[in-house]
Amino acid sequence: DAMVIQNPRYQVTQFGKPVTLSCSQTLNHNVMYWYQQKSSQAPKLLFHYYDKDFNNEADTPDNFQSRRPNTSFCFLDIRSPGLGDAAMYLCATSRAPGQETQYFGPGTRLLVL
Amino acid sequence: GENVEQHPSTLSVQEGDSAVIKCTYSDSASNYFPWYKQELGKGPQLIIDIRSNVGEKKDQRIAVTLNKTAKHFSLHITETQPEDSAVYFCAVPQNAGNKLTFGGGTRVLVKP
Repeated sequence: DAMVIQNPRYQVTQFGKPVTLSCSQTLNHNVMYWYQQKSSQAPKLLFHYYDKDFNNEADTPDNFQSRRPNTSFCFLDIRSPGLGDAAMYLCATSRAPGQETQYFGPGTRLLVL
Repeated sequence: GENVEQHPSTLSVQEGDSAVIKCTYSDSASNYFPWYKQELGKGPQLIIDIRSNVGEKKDQRIAVTLNKTAKHFSLHITETQPEDSAVYFCAVPQNAGNKLTFGGGTRVLVKP
């Protein structure tokens, strides 16, 4: 089945220690998104790639970076995680930007000690 | 930007009863309206969506209705079952943008 895969499902890191979360997709979609979701809140978009074009949300902290080496893979790098970065990180894809269906992965839950 | 309000924030129903969640939005240019279901510890899953050329769409026990004039759309779940317990999010594309604006979510509890 075509899908969005996130690894790892759970990640524990130390305060200030860089961490990378990964996402892959078999849908061959052009757009890949990264969201942050904290408890009892809606997902908050951090940034997205439309093909190779990177689009950062205005309020995304500089601490968060992303890489998309090819169509299938996208990475979220947190350079110096703080306690406030503990959250569920969701990857999503869509065929095109705009008014299109987004398909979400299972998420990676990040714990910062 | 787009403003999406979702109500209620929590909803408790008896098994077999119906559940209705409503979202209102501000951008009249929006023409795509998805609903997502998120179970504990999982990512949101699309359960139904509607485009503005129709007023209602049904898929088994789930239906979505759209009123473009009033700028609101609703999720209807009939004959609720315990496995319907989850958080439900509506979403609306932001005008001329590439992102969805999510409603605040509704936690639905179906009591056996």
